[in-house]
This record gives sequence, structure tokens and C-alpha cells, in this order.
Amino acid sequence: DTGVSQDPRHKITKRGQNVTFRCDPISEHNRLYWYRQTLGQGPEFLTYFQNEAQLEKSRLLSDRFSAERPKGSFSTLEIQRTEQGDSAMYLCASSLGTLGEQFFGPGTRLTVL
Amino acid sequence: AQTVTQSQPEMSVQEAETVTLSCTYDTSESNYYLFWYKQPPSRQMILVIRQEAYKQQNATENRFSVNFQKAAKSFSLKISDSQLGDTAMYFCAFMKPNTGNQFYFGTGTSLTVIP
Repeated sequence: DTGVSQDPRHKITKRGQNVTFRCDPISEHNRLYWYRQTLGQGPEFLTYFQNEAQLEKSRLLSDRFSAERPKGSFSTLEIQRTEQGDSAMYLCASSLGTLGEQFFGPGTRLTVL
Repeated sequence: AQTVTQSQPEMSVQEAETVTLSCTYDTSESNYYLFWYKQPPSRQMILVIRQEAYKQQNATENRFSVNFQKAAKSFSLKISDSQLGDTAMYFCAFMKPNTGNQFYFGTGTSLTVIP
């Protein structure tokens, strides 16, 4: 399967814990995006990378959130000191070039108790 | 900021019939792209159709077509000959190129195809 993959698919954690999610984009795609989707809403942009450079961050991305794409391939999204409001589906997408279609992964569903 | 509005939270259609999902958006840009994505239950989002704002011709993809009204900032999706597999959440999305190409999504329309 050469699509976008995300790991884990589900994560349950207690408030205050740190969590890390991984996204593996389609191999030749140079752009990688993170979105957050809460129940009843469309995905909201968090951040994106072009190769290994993080070029834009949404104001939704508080100081507790950090994303990396160290070698321009896979990416990680870490949330520190999780809060109940962080409960959501975290989606990763990748694209090739500036106008390419974004291909989405299956998402990681985070539940903060 | 760009906003995308989908005013129909839920819709249903009989199998083999036609249904239209509406989407409006707000932007001051002249060059942009519009998309419809489909999110089946517990599955990932896939692209249904895309439209470049500079193209006057409405995009079509098999049973899916759009009615793009640039002046009215309207971008509706028509699904013809609806099939059970069309049951899904449908999201309208706006993209402004050369600013990271981030998508602005609407809140979605849940479509159910009734056998």
C-alpha cells in the first residue's frame, strides 16, 4: 500500500500525559500537512512542511504542540501535557508540488480522559 | 481569512436518484482552487472532484459534477445515479495557492443513500 499511513490509529491517554503521532506520506511527496478534526467539524489546518522545513503554523498550534519532519520523509506530531480539549482526530496529508491534490491518511483518534 | 459554508448537515437520496450538495465560500482572492472530498464511515478522505477558479467550465468526474458560480461564490456538487457506496461525509474545501496550499474545509454534509 503506497498511501499515507498514520500510527497509531487510536490513542487513549490521561490528562497531562505526552503523546506522539507519526505520519508516513506518499514517498515522493514533498509537502506534508497536519489537520485536526473534531466531531461535527471539517478538518482544521495545523501546520505544514515542505521537505524538512516547517513553513507555516496555525494559531491553533499552541506551545504544547510540536511537529517535526527531520529527513523530509515521515513526520511526528507531539502534544505535551494533554488536555481534554485536545481530543480529536489528527489527520495527515501529503502532496507533490504546489498545486497537487492532498492525499489524506486514515487519521489518529486521540481521546484524553 | 477564507470561510467555507455547507448549510446542509444531513441529506438523503434514493439509490439511482440525483442529489446536490451545496457549498458557499468567502474570499477576496481571484485565483484559487475548490475541492469536494468524501469521507466514508471510518475510512480516510478521498478526493471527489476539483475546480480551478480561472476555468469557467464546470468540472465533471463520471457521476460527479459541480456547478461553479464564481460571482456568487457557490460551488455545489451533483451526484447522479446515486449508489450505496456514495454514503459518506462530503467536505467542500477551498485552497489559495502559493500560501502553503492549506485547505479550508466546510463543516461537511452527511449523505445517506437509501436502497
